[in-house]
Amino acid sequence: NAGVTQTPKFQVLKTGQSMTLQCAQDMNHEYMSWYRQDPGMGLRLIHYSVGAGITDQGEVPNGYNVSRSTTEDFPLRLLSAAPSQTSVYFCASSKDDRDSPLHFGNGTRLTVT
Amino acid sequence: EDKVVQSPLSLVVHEGDTVTLNCSYEVTNFRSLLWYKQEKKAPTFLFMLTSSGIEKKSGRLSSILDKKELFSILNITATQTGDSAIYLCAFNDYKLSFGAGTTVTVRA
Repeated sequence: NAGVTQTPKFQVLKTGQSMTLQCAQDMNHEYMSWYRQDPGMGLRLIHYSVGAGITDQGEVPNGYNVSRSTTEDFPLRLLSAAPSQTSVYFCASSKDDRDSPLHFGNGTRLTVT
Repeated sequence: EDKVVQSPLSLVVHEGDTVTLNCSYEVTNFRSLLWYKQEKKAPTFLFMLTSSGIEKKSGRLSSILDKKELFSILNITATQTGDSAIYLCAFNDYKLSFGAGTTVTVRA
């Protein structure tokens, strides 16, 4: 069972570069989300989606874009990377946005120099 | 503003000890409270609590919710080195919001 798959696992960017973090799930989950995890700050919600074609902002959306063209995929785009975006990024999905636990991917460790 | 506060931030115990982790919350539209365990990679789901006073158990782990006082506790009895992890508390008000976590280190 693949579950939630994130790529790449590691990435180093220079300030100003752009990139896309990929996230795919094979559980037919409607709800998908992106979090960043920084030391001492827990997991902070960046963007989320309750279904294909629908996205919304979370707690820390600035500097990130998302789209949800299919149920399976939810890519996160960094338009112009900044050192403040150095973090570990987790994609997660659940059956719906109500009472279903989130299933997490293994994370992408991003460093912006 | 909705928030989740976990305490302590970290603790070190020895194998066999009992650990109690705290999670307090202030939310507008509470639906459920969840506990996750995070070792090296992705958080993994432990419990979901929706009703006050009903304890959920899984082996040596248990958790309970007090909706009146707005807190939850996670207990780990007879700790083992494999319990070393970050324990995350989160509340669900249509999107999941996490606390900063408690880092538990269990020494042999």
